[in-house]
Amino acid sequence: DVKVTQSSRYLVKRTGEKVFLECVQDMDHENMFWYRQDPGLGLRLIYFSYDVKMKEKGDIPEGYSVSREKKERFSLILESASTNQTSMYLCASSPRVPRAFFGQGTRLTVV
Amino acid sequence: AQKITQTQPGMFVQEKEAVTLDCTYDTSDQSYGLFWYKQPSSGEMIFLIYQGSYDEQNATEGRYSLNFQKARKSTNLVISASQLGDSAMYFCAMTRRRNDMRFGAGTRLTVKP
Repeated sequence: DVKVTQSSRYLVKRTGEKVFLECVQDMDHENMFWYRQDPGLGLRLIYFSYDVKMKEKGDIPEGYSVSREKKERFSLILESASTNQTSMYLCASSPRVPRAFFGQGTRLTVV
Repeated sequence: AQKITQTQPGMFVQEKEAVTLDCTYDTSDQSYGLFWYKQPSSGEMIFLIYQGSYDEQNATEGRYSLNFQKARKSTNLVISASQLGDSAMYFCAMTRRRNDMRFGAGTRLTVKP
């Protein structure tokens, strides 16, 4: 079974902190994604990566950056967390034949 | 930019009846893929069904089928013989050339006994 693991299930951070959300997949997938999920807005694409060191902005990249130094790991970075970044964050990976496999999600609260 | 629209925030269906969840999309690409995912209250995202833009037949997977109308840019999910366990959020999604995947806002389906 494909496994996509997010480093934390719940996270509470203070405004202005630098926050790292980590995601690891074990199936050698080329593509990895970060989304945030908010009620009524569905899943919005923050960034995605189609290869090591390659990344593309999604629809809401402002306030976020990403890193993909190894194929299996895709990190989402909040440079200076703000309260409007309180959300559920979902990581996903997919092979070239597209079908995304999702992690369990990280519920981030910024206080 | 591509856009995926799910116009039904919430739907109700009687157990054992069929229900159709609507999804329209907007893209200028000729090659794309369309997906539906289910998210129960547990929060996990469960893949249901996939349709490629060049597939001539509508996709089916058990009780799930797609009503894919390419000219109208719509891909509606049909769930036959609804079960109580079908109560969940349902998301429509699309991928394009770089395999970026974007989702609609979702439809909350409630199956009534």
